[in-house]
Amino acid sequence: EGQLVESGGGLIQPGGSLRLSCAASGLTVSSNYMTWVRQAPGKGLEWVSVIYSGGSTYYADSVKGRFTISRDNSKNTLYLQMDSLRAEDTAVYYCAKITMAAYNWFDPWGQGTLVTVSS
Amino acid sequence: DIQMTQSPSSLSASVGDRVTITCRASQSISNYINWYQQKSGKAPKLLIYAASSLQSGVPSRFSGSGSGTDFTLTISSLQPEDFASYYCQQSYRTPGTFGQGTKVEIK
Repeated sequence: EGQLVESGGGLIQPGGSLRLSCAASGLTVSSNYMTWVRQAPGKGLEWVSVIYSGGSTYYADSVKGRFTISRDNSKNTLYLQMDSLRAEDTAVYYCAKITMAAYNWFDPWGQGTLVTVSS
Repeated sequence: DIQMTQSPSSLSASVGDRVTITCRASQSISNYINWYQQKSGKAPKLLIYAASSLQSGVPSRFSGSGSGTDFTLTISSLQPEDFASYYCQQSYRTPGTFGQGTKVEIK
């Protein structure tokens, strides 16, 4: 099934940048559809971005133009570059693999990394 | 985007109770719906995919049903470890939007 471990979260001022990493083991990032989902404190789950195995990327309207999803095949790692951060980007960020079959679902998930945007 | 509306947003129940959570999609999504369980401070965990297929390792007291726009997650006999939040998610179209969640609390 594989395992995902996020890192890179922390406290950042509004307007700043941060890069999140999602290191994979037991699965190959480049061969899979991979996604980022976030959860603001006390709130529900919000899909953020996806990268397909072919390299196509898609973003939620709330982050389009500010966030960039990418991967490093040699490191088997997924990234989320977050620029022009806002207070409303404060959340736990999860990476997940999208299982693609006749249906698709998010599994497994990483443990999450907390991003706090505050002055 | 497809909107997913879950109800109730929270409920109180006792161990042994039958619990039902519903999710309604803003358009027909056939049976492209998943259900996740999330315990406090933890990542979501897949329970059910394709509306009614139980993920490996998930207890059989969990079941899902529905098609089109209306879906249900049922816990047949609530156990102490089931107190958590539950989310539906449509996988019919990107983005895979989530419902707002249902928090199941101890009565």
